[in-house]
Amino acid sequence: DIVLTQSPATLSVTPGESVSLSCRASQGISTSIHWYQQKSNESPRLLIKYASQSISGIPSRFSGSGSGTDFTLSINRVESEDFSVYYCQQSYSLPLTFGSGTKLEIK
Amino acid sequence: EVKLQQSGDELVRPGASVKMSCKASGYTFTDYAMHWVKQSPGQGLEWIGTIIPLIDTTSYNQKFKGKATLTADKSSNTAYMELSRLTSEDSAVYYCARESRGVMDAWGQGASVTVSS
Repeated sequence: DIVLTQSPATLSVTPGESVSLSCRASQGISTSIHWYQQKSNESPRLLIKYASQSISGIPSRFSGSGSGTDFTLSINRVESEDFSVYYCQQSYSLPLTFGSGTKLEIK
Repeated sequence: EVKLQQSGDELVRPGASVKMSCKASGYTFTDYAMHWVKQSPGQGLEWIGTIIPLIDTTSYNQKFKGKATLTADKSSNTAYMELSRLTSEDSAVYYCARESRGVMDAWGQGASVTVSS
């Protein structure tokens, strides 16, 4: 199984700051990585697909990059509504796997 | 608008089974696979398996083989997941999610299962 390691586990920031969240795969997965946001007591929501492809309706401050084993989700100028948990997920091979998540919290 | 409406929360006894549903609307049900994902309390996301309704083909995470059974009813645009021989480890929120070209692009609201005597 492909293991996805997300770091940091928790990131404390002030609104207006820009942040980068990391996701590292245990083997090369090309760009088959997707990012989801999960707010408290809500379902996950797709933010970025295939490492860097944008999703309709998602604010442009969210962007993704990377290929192979190292991937990054960037949020330009964090807004209050962005404080939640972020997960990466790989679709390179079965079983599909998720990272353990990064919690973005208010400093 | 794509919508996945899941059945309600369940309280079940240890050793029992539970079957939950996920009714799809706003798109052609047979054009997309449906995934099921588990989220244990305070934990991350775990893929259970997927079903392709058009051809009734399933794929399971080895961890959930024998635990979860996925089915789909094309006549009612509904996917189902049955969990058997429930234990406290099965207490979790379960999500259905539509797959579009390898990506889970729409999610149900989740259904909570609590296993308790």
